[in-house]
Amino acid sequence: KNQVEQSPQSLIILEGKNCTLQCNYTVSPFSNLRWYKQDTGRGPVSLTIMTFSENTKSNGRYTATLDADTKQSSLHITASQLSDSASYICVVSDRGSTLGRLYFGRGTQLTVWP
Amino acid sequence: EADIYQTPRYLVIGTGKKITLECSQTMGHDKMYWYQQDPGMELHLIHYSYGVNSTEKGDLSSESTVSRIRTEHFPLTLESARPSHTSQYLCASSEGGRGLSPKNIQYFGAGTRLSVL
Repeated sequence: KNQVEQSPQSLIILEGKNCTLQCNYTVSPFSNLRWYKQDTGRGPVSLTIMTFSENTKSNGRYTATLDADTKQSSLHITASQLSDSASYICVVSDRGSTLGRLYFGRGTQLTVWP
Repeated sequence: EADIYQTPRYLVIGTGKKITLECSQTMGHDKMYWYQQDPGMELHLIHYSYGVNSTEKGDLSSESTVSRIRTEHFPLTLESARPSHTSQYLCASSEGGRGLSPKNIQYFGAGTRLSVL
């Protein structure tokens, strides 16, 4: 069964600190991996997307890494801000179907305290 | 900011009522999707569409139905709502027609939080 597992389930950090969120997946054949940010009561917003050949992708203070051999990805947030408080969802797409099916993790709930 | 809109944002209704959740996008995207998300859980695909007059069921069995008469509009209907339908429903859209495109990013609406009493 294709799965996406994220850790930790929740995380609390102080404003200005860095943090790293983890994503392990078993989806095969792999197409791409995306990180989304979902604010409470809102829809997810795309942060990064990486294909098999990409090891790292940055978007401002967000940097995602991908190791397709070990099927692991991380999202590093630098100099956290209060507005970073949200759920961060790892999403993996396969290339075994025309649709390019997406497999969603349950997310890591990040809380940034002042 | 994605141009995809869902209404209503919140809906509380009684058992047995018929409801329609609206979703519209102004980006001209061919692909549209409906997801169901319970608190703290992953999104589950319940319906998708490749384009006008194309609709398919997703991974999660759902008693809801969808239609795609216009490119920009993808409403979801529950003929007889039950408490088990209580959840958040998210609509999304992406570029492109059939075929794989790793750069297709899905843009999500803000969601409709449905409570059935």
